[in-house]
Amino acid sequence: DQQVKQNSPSLSVQEGRISILNCDYTNSMFDYFLWYKKYPAEGPTFLISISSIKDKNEDGRFTVFLNKSAKHLSLHIVPSQPGDSAVYFCAATSSGGTSYGKLTFGQGTILTVHP
Amino acid sequence: NAGVTQTPKFRVLKTGQSMTLLCAQDMNHEYMYWYRQDPGMGLRLIHYSVGEGTTAKGEVPDGYNVSRLKKQNFLLGLESAAPSQTSVYFCASRWRTREAVYEQYFGPGTRLTVT
Repeated sequence: DQQVKQNSPSLSVQEGRISILNCDYTNSMFDYFLWYKKYPAEGPTFLISISSIKDKNEDGRFTVFLNKSAKHLSLHIVPSQPGDSAVYFCAATSSGGTSYGKLTFGQGTILTVHP
Repeated sequence: NAGVTQTPKFRVLKTGQSMTLLCAQDMNHEYMYWYRQDPGMGLRLIHYSVGEGTTAKGEVPDGYNVSRLKKQNFLLGLESAAPSQTSVYFCASRWRTREAVYEQYFGPGTRLTVT
C-alpha cells in the first residue's frame, strides 16, 4: 500500500525552463509534506516543505503547491539549472503525537536538466 | 559539525553473516531513524528511536535489530544477512522539540551487498 506516490519515474527539461514534479498521497492523516533532493552516492538533503494550513510555499527558485482536496502536491523549479539534475523525493508525515515525525516517502523522480 | 555520519560506506556480506551499521550525529538530536532505499521503492523506515534507550519498529523491521545506548549513536544490526537485505541504508536524525519542523538530516548512506 503506497501511501505516497510519485508516478513519473523521470523528467527531462531544458535549462531555463520550468520543472514540475508531482506527488500524490492517500493518507488523510498526513498534514506536513517535504521535498528532498538526492545526488548519486549521497544522502537526501532537505529542499522545501509545506504545512497543510498553507497551499503554497516558496523558497527562491523552488515553490511547492499543495491541493488538499485532491491530495496532491507539486514542486516547481524555475528556472531549471543543470545542477538541479538529481532524484527528487516527496515525503509526508503527520503532526500527531505518536507519529514521532516518521516520514513516508514516494518512489522518487529522476530530474535531468539539459544545458 | 560533521552532521550525520555512517560507518562503513560499503560492505559485502555472505548469506548468514552478521554485521552492525553505525550511525552517529553531533547535532544533539533526540530522534533517529534507519531507512533502506531500493530501486523503485523510495526510502522505507526500518526502525526508529525517540530517545536514548528507546527503539521502535518502522515499516520493514524484519531481519534487523537496533540499539540506542547513547543519544548520539544509533546502531542497526543484521544477525543473519539475506540477499533480500542488499540495499542502501540511510540514517537520519531530527530535533524533538522544534515546533512544526519535521526536517530530517540524512547521512551519506551505506551500500550493502549480500551474496
